[in-house]
Amino acid sequence: RKEVEQDPGPFNVPEGATVAFNCTYSNSASQSFFWYRQDCRKEPKLLMSVYSSGNEDGRFTAQLNRASQYISLLIRDSKLSDSATYLCVVKTPGAGSYQLTFGKGTKLSVIP
Amino acid sequence: GAVVSQHPSWVICKSGTSVKIECRSLDFQATTMFWYRQFPKQSLMLMATSNEGSKATYEQGVEKDKFLINHASLTLSTLTVTSAHPEDSSFYICSARDYNGNTEAFFGQGTRLTVV
Repeated sequence: RKEVEQDPGPFNVPEGATVAFNCTYSNSASQSFFWYRQDCRKEPKLLMSVYSSGNEDGRFTAQLNRASQYISLLIRDSKLSDSATYLCVVKTPGAGSYQLTFGKGTKLSVIP
Repeated sequence: GAVVSQHPSWVICKSGTSVKIECRSLDFQATTMFWYRQFPKQSLMLMATSNEGSKATYEQGVEKDKFLINHASLTLSTLTVTSAHPEDSSFYICSARDYNGNTEAFFGQGTRLTVV
């Protein structure tokens, strides 16, 4: 089983649609979770952290289920500018420090 | 947020030559920086962890003699791809973490290396 697994997509949705991305992780010792956004040929940028209680930032809602080792990202009222690849990232403790493990990403295309 | 600058943003080199990529933390001190590689449609894969003043820690399968890492100061780490070959063509990204209570990683802009 891959450490961080995501549906690669692509998800092609019309403007205004609601779209949900899922992510599962294999290491139960993982401590923190994030969603990053990566535009084509650019570096990843933090979109939001994911908290156990669930958290919302405008049109974006992230949820975490530790028991199922599952993370989700919901985007409401999709905009053209939301088109990007969304990376699920998991922070896991390592020897003396911690490591970030990235999923392959889910590609989203918002269509006019 | 913290800023990490990576240079160059793209480079084309001939097979057999060496390429140096710089990663700088501009407004914070980074005792640890990380080098990733990303092939098309693949996830970021950690290559090595760069520690200021000591040897880098390489991930399994990454040749330390081919990918030379130097972290001479708290704001600069360099990755040198030695004797580059076409299969080394990839997107290389560095990141640094601010240990002032933040857990997110700050990424450089990435370097697209093409070896011809």
